Amino acid sequence: ETGVTQSPTHLIKTRGQQVTLRCSSQSGHNTVSWYQQALGQGPQFIFQYYREEENGRGNFPPRFSGLQFPNYSSELNVNALELDDSALYLCASSLAGRGEETQYFGPGTRLLVL
Amino acid sequence: GIQVEQSPPDLILQEGANSTLRCNFSDSVNNLQWFHQNPWGQLINLFYIPSGTKQNGRLSATTVATERYSLLYISSSQTTDSGVYFCAVERRSNYQLIWGAGTKLIIKP
Repeated sequence: ETGVTQSPTHLIKTRGQQVTLRCSSQSGHNTVSWYQQALGQGPQFIFQYYREEENGRGNFPPRFSGLQFPNYSSELNVNALELDDSALYLCASSLAGRGEETQYFGPGTRLLVL
Repeated sequence: GIQVEQSPPDLILQEGANSTLRCNFSDSVNNLQWFHQNPWGQLINLFYIPSGTKQNGRLSATTVATERYSLLYISSSQTTDSGVYFCAVERRSNYQLIWGAGTKLIIKP
């Protein structure tokens, strides 16, 4: 069984640029959630995708957008990067509809915006 | 929205000690999970426990849903238990986990 993978592991961008982060969900999972974790804080929910549709969104501006593909992998896109976007971005996959929807996390992408 | 509070914020223990971490939440939930985040940032799910008690080796957890709290017990601590322990709850079945600020645990050899 393949776990959740994310790419890249680290990324440095400058203010105003755009970035795309990628996530491959665990085999058999149909739901992907994205989180932003600032240093020293708990993760903050960005949005979730279920069967290629956005299934819920946290308190993040529209410049944070996403996609889920037919194989259930996912992308997080952030436009017009700001310094405060520097964080660890985590992707989690789960299998909806089984009652115990445990989320399994990838290793994260560390984004630094200069 | 729902509030999740964890205590203590920091805990330093000697190897072999036992510890209890607490998570309080402000409203009814249908999902509560405990996670361990290692120093490299990897989050590992420890328990899915919206109610009741579960045990896995040296770790156990109890959630009293009617009183809106959960406890994570770690017995015979090892240095590899160090890291941050998070409690996360979901109020509705939409998988939007709301996280506490975590308890940072340091186990000294």
